[in-house]
Amino acid sequence: DAKTTQPPSMDCAEGRAANLPCNHSTISGNEYVYWYRQIHSQGPQYIIHGLKNNETNEMASLIITEDRKSSTLILPHATLRDTAVYYCIVRAPDYGGSQGNLIFGKGTKLSVKP
Amino acid sequence: EPEVTQTPSHQVTQMGQEVILRCVPISNHLYFYWYRQILGQKVEFLVSFYNNEISEKSEIFDDQFSVERPDGSNFTLKIRSTKLEDSAMYFCASSWRERREPQHFGDGTRLSIL
Repeated sequence: DAKTTQPPSMDCAEGRAANLPCNHSTISGNEYVYWYRQIHSQGPQYIIHGLKNNETNEMASLIITEDRKSSTLILPHATLRDTAVYYCIVRAPDYGGSQGNLIFGKGTKLSVKP
Repeated sequence: EPEVTQTPSHQVTQMGQEVILRCVPISNHLYFYWYRQILGQKVEFLVSFYNNEISEKSEIFDDQFSVERPDGSNFTLKIRSTKLEDSAMYFCASSWRERREPQHFGDGTRLSIL
């Protein structure tokens, strides 16, 4: 089962920031937080990941709380094309035989409205 | 930007027939994965592959399934005798050398079993 909890759905006005929360209260010290999104029935698209520091790239920002029990994905200026299901996933960089598969939950369905 | 490509985009097969789904991972990636998503359900891990062998597989990946990297560029998933319940989107993913690096997904093959 997924180790994260996300709201099932959220709305956001076009041009505004979308803030998607994720709870991962049982996260282990070596587990990273990954965010993916899935537009329609396309393949999951990688957005961003982080361990404990806040991260930013051209798509989004990731804010991780100091205790690492929750995080927020921020899309600074949401567009209609950002309408998708957003998945928050925790995963350890396994060493040895296991490659560390991703365990997807149900995610948050973000609807960006004009 | 390099991407994972999957062919065909849609495959229709009679129940009991063999099917091969093909993937071309990103060229310098070393870890390869198959996931599937039954319509309306979560994305589920099937198998991971590294150094020409399976490194991890889920309960879904039974004896009917096999994977192969027949040359330096392709990664295939074979289903020997398809069942109706194999109908799903099948996603291939790959990741770079370090296990903490994110997995990048293709846009999937929609498999329809009649």
